[in-house]
Amino acid sequence: DTEVTQTPKHLVMGMTNKKSLKCEQHMGHRAMYWYKQKAKKPPELMFVYSYEKLSINESVPSRFSPECPNSSLLNLHLHALQPEDSALYLCASSPTGNIDEQYFGPGTRLTVT
Amino acid sequence: GENVEQHPSTLSVQEGDSAVIKCTYSDSASNYFPWYKQELGKGPQLIIDIRSNVGEKKDQRIAVTLNKTAKHFSLHITETQPEDSAVYFCAASYFTGTASKLTFGTGTRLQVTL
Repeated sequence: DTEVTQTPKHLVMGMTNKKSLKCEQHMGHRAMYWYKQKAKKPPELMFVYSYEKLSINESVPSRFSPECPNSSLLNLHLHALQPEDSALYLCASSPTGNIDEQYFGPGTRLTVT
Repeated sequence: GENVEQHPSTLSVQEGDSAVIKCTYSDSASNYFPWYKQELGKGPQLIIDIRSNVGEKKDQRIAVTLNKTAKHFSLHITETQPEDSAVYFCAASYFTGTASKLTFGTGTRLQVTL
């Protein structure tokens, strides 16, 4: 089973709202990733968790706050977002985080109004 | 940081023909090169990958080649079918010491026509 699940599939939020995106994998992978993908562009790395510790933060604004409660779950907490944050947010996981295959979820389509 | 260039940006082939997509990378520390297929409304799907100690890899109709000296790698799809139509991304990965970092190319929209 190489499945990464993400909820919700779609999310519309106002600039003053607080919401969270959820990602889950049951493959026993120890690295999990958040990417942002704008229309007609490649995914861009935001955060990497390796063995439940934040390993990479690609200078992402503090209105995005990641959390890794355990090795199977990854959350992205959102608050005070801007319309330009509207994008597809992708979660991925990999076995060890050391030059190995990353498997992506279907993404959450976020619209900020 | 790593920079990955990908060409062409769009590619139209007839069913049964071959398709080739080429990428170059800038950082010699990159040592893992996956290819992803992304269909409309879906997440990227890993279709094949190659590591820096290998020059070529094949999986049925798909093959990848890597030239480490020139920092080039390519995806070859033979006997294309309509279901191959999608956006294809190459990527390059290196280990930072704490985690691996994947940088994507700009993507190629492949259209297979009947």
